[in-house]
Amino acid sequence: IVMTQSPATLSVSPGERATLSCRASQSVSSNLAWYQQKPGQAPRLLIYGASTRATGIPARFSGSGSGTEFTLTISSLQSEDSAVYYCQHYNEWPLYTFGQGTKLEIK
Amino acid sequence: EVQLVESGGGVVQPGKSVRLSCAVSGFIFDEFVMHWVRQGPGKGLEWVAGIDWNSVTIDYADSVKGRFIISRDNAKNSLYLQMNSLRPEDTALYYCVKDMGGGALDIWGQGTLVTVSS
Repeated sequence: IVMTQSPATLSVSPGERATLSCRASQSVSSNLAWYQQKPGQAPRLLIYGASTRATGIPARFSGSGSGTEFTLTISSLQSEDSAVYYCQHYNEWPLYTFGQGTKLEIK
Repeated sequence: EVQLVESGGGVVQPGKSVRLSCAVSGFIFDEFVMHWVRQGPGKGLEWVAGIDWNSVTIDYADSVKGRFIISRDNAKNSLYLQMNSLRPEDTALYYCVKDMGGGALDIWGQGTLVTVSS
C-alpha cells in the first residue's frame, strides 16, 4: 500500500486553519495514524484510528476520513505547530507504510 | 516514565554488520508489539521491521529483508536489530518504537545513528 500526502509544503498564517491530505493506494479502513515531527525530535503520535486524538494532543488537531482518503485539520494554527506531518497506515500488520510527509510552515 | 533508549549506532563500512539495541522501561514490555523505523538524512520515515510480543510474527520492509533481523528478549526488556551486509543507503537514524496495540506507534526513542561509509 502506497501512502501519498499533499501538499508537500503548506504555508499558513497564525490563527488560520491548515488542511493536510493523505491518500492510500487501496483501502486501509480506519487504520491510519498521523504524526508530528519537529526538527531534531522524534515523531509524536497525534491521531490514530483516523480520528482519535492521542493522549495530550490539543483539540485543535482533528482527523477524518476512511478507506483511501484522509485529512488532518489543524484549526487556529500556532507557531509551535510548525513541523513535518506524516500519515501512516497499519492495515496490514506489521507491514506499515508512511507517507512522504507534509512540511507545515507558519507565515 | 516510559522510556526507549537505543544504542549501538556508529560508522560502519559497507558490507559489514552492526547490532542495535533498545532498552525499554516504564511499561510491560512483553505485552506489546515493537518496531524499528528509520529516517535517512533529510528524508521521511521508513518502517523497517516489526515483532510481536512472543516473537512469532515478524516481518520486514522489502529494502532490508534477508539482511536485517529483529529480535527481542522479554526477560531483559530489550529489542534488537541485527543489521548485516550494510549498504550506504542504510545510513539513517534508527528509532525503536512501541506499538500501542492496534498499529499506531505511540512511544518513540530518540534514535541511534548508523552511517555506512568507507
